[in-house]
Amino acid sequence: AQSVTQLDSQVPVFEEAPVELRCNYSSSVSVYLFWYVQYPNQGLQLLLKYLSGSTLVKGINGFEAEFNKSQTSFHLRKPSVHISDTAEYFCAVSDIQGAQKLVFGQGTRLTINP
Amino acid sequence: NAGVTQTPKFQVLKTGQSMTLQCAQDMNHNSMYWYRQDPGMGLRLIYYSASEGTTDKGEVPNGYNVSRLNKREFSLRLESAAPSQTSVYFCASTPGGTDDSALHFGNGTRLTVT
Repeated sequence: AQSVTQLDSQVPVFEEAPVELRCNYSSSVSVYLFWYVQYPNQGLQLLLKYLSGSTLVKGINGFEAEFNKSQTSFHLRKPSVHISDTAEYFCAVSDIQGAQKLVFGQGTRLTINP
Repeated sequence: NAGVTQTPKFQVLKTGQSMTLQCAQDMNHNSMYWYRQDPGMGLRLIYYSASEGTTDKGEVPNGYNVSRLNKREFSLRLESAAPSQTSVYFCASTPGGTDDSALHFGNGTRLTVT
């Protein structure tokens, strides 16, 4: 079974500052990793995913994440945030042989201050 | 392109009442899922259907039943609602297979059980 821990429940940052949202996972098998974003009163949208290959993955809206197998981490980064990035962010994992049964972290609420 | 459509958007039930949450997708996806979202707990899988004609339990199936009516539709039923089932429910779908594991989410149903 897999599990995901998002180390920060809330992250406040100033506009145009860099941000890192941390995610660690646990699994006994190879995994796929995902970051989703949820804007208020909406469903989740995919930001980026790691399936295989390059460990640095680029997604939408200028976000990127790096898969680190030795540290079992998949941290999300953006070099300069905007007010519109205010949302909740979820890290998720699934095993590569499962029916895409994602296990989600608890979420990190990113608040951008002007 | 509507994607994943959930109805209703909001619902209030009294303890012991029953209801069915509807979900339909128009992307010809094989796999469909029901998740519940509770504060501080991320999303937890209730049931999923890997393909038409099959359903399986997820992490938190107790108190729920599902029906994969056809390839497009996947409904979630609460036979006797309890206050612990107050939550936001999300339906999701994915093509299936291992090359594109991203879930496509609906906008959710906010359920309150009093």
